[in-house]
Amino acid sequence: KAGVTQTPRYLIKTRGQQVTLSCSPISGHRSVSWYQQTPGQGLQFLFEYFSETQRNKGNFPGRFSGRQFSNSRSEMNVSTLELGDSALYLCASSFRDSVSTDTQYFGPGTRLTVL
Amino acid sequence: GNSVTQMEGPVTLSEEAFLTINCTYTATGYPSLFWYVQYPGEGLQLLLKATKADDKGSNKGFEATYRKETTSFHLEKGSVQVSDSAVYFCALSSNTGNQFYFGTGTSLTVIP
Repeated sequence: KAGVTQTPRYLIKTRGQQVTLSCSPISGHRSVSWYQQTPGQGLQFLFEYFSETQRNKGNFPGRFSGRQFSNSRSEMNVSTLELGDSALYLCASSFRDSVSTDTQYFGPGTRLTVL
Repeated sequence: GNSVTQMEGPVTLSEEAFLTINCTYTATGYPSLFWYVQYPGEGLQLLLKATKADDKGSNKGFEATYRKETTSFHLEKGSVQVSDSAVYFCALSSNTGNQFYFGTGTSLTVIP
């Protein structure tokens, strides 16, 4: 079974621009979560989507948004980029057929650099 | 609330040494506990997990036991190899949702 894929793997943007990152979950997985990883803050939860609905949200400004499509693929958008948005953005998928806990499987990440 | 406290790194060991990385947690309800490993330039890979008290997760020589009485999930390996050099993350997932809470990560370097 193919793993979680993320595109692109690397991005360079300038302040004020916007960016869209894409995540394709493992086949059959319906939950997709996004995380931001930085050396200073570690791994921080952005949001989770399940069946095209945002189920959980972390403590990030409204510039960070996402969506999920009917095939469970997900996109994350960051508008008005700031230097502090430079990070590794990780996507994780899980099967999650109920509200019980489930193992998350991570993609390789998208490295975003904001200049 | 939910949180994970993980042993500060970096940790440097000689090959074949014994490894312990401490992890304690605070959680509401009955969480599942995980160890993930991140190799340079890659995403996180699941190493092992435990879903209830006294469960032992194991994989690739690594072990961790879910201790409810001490709220701990320490990672151990009897004999580390150079290829184990990576960053290790302890995490919990509360049974009230699918949000994961990660520790800060512990960098391990194993020297020949």
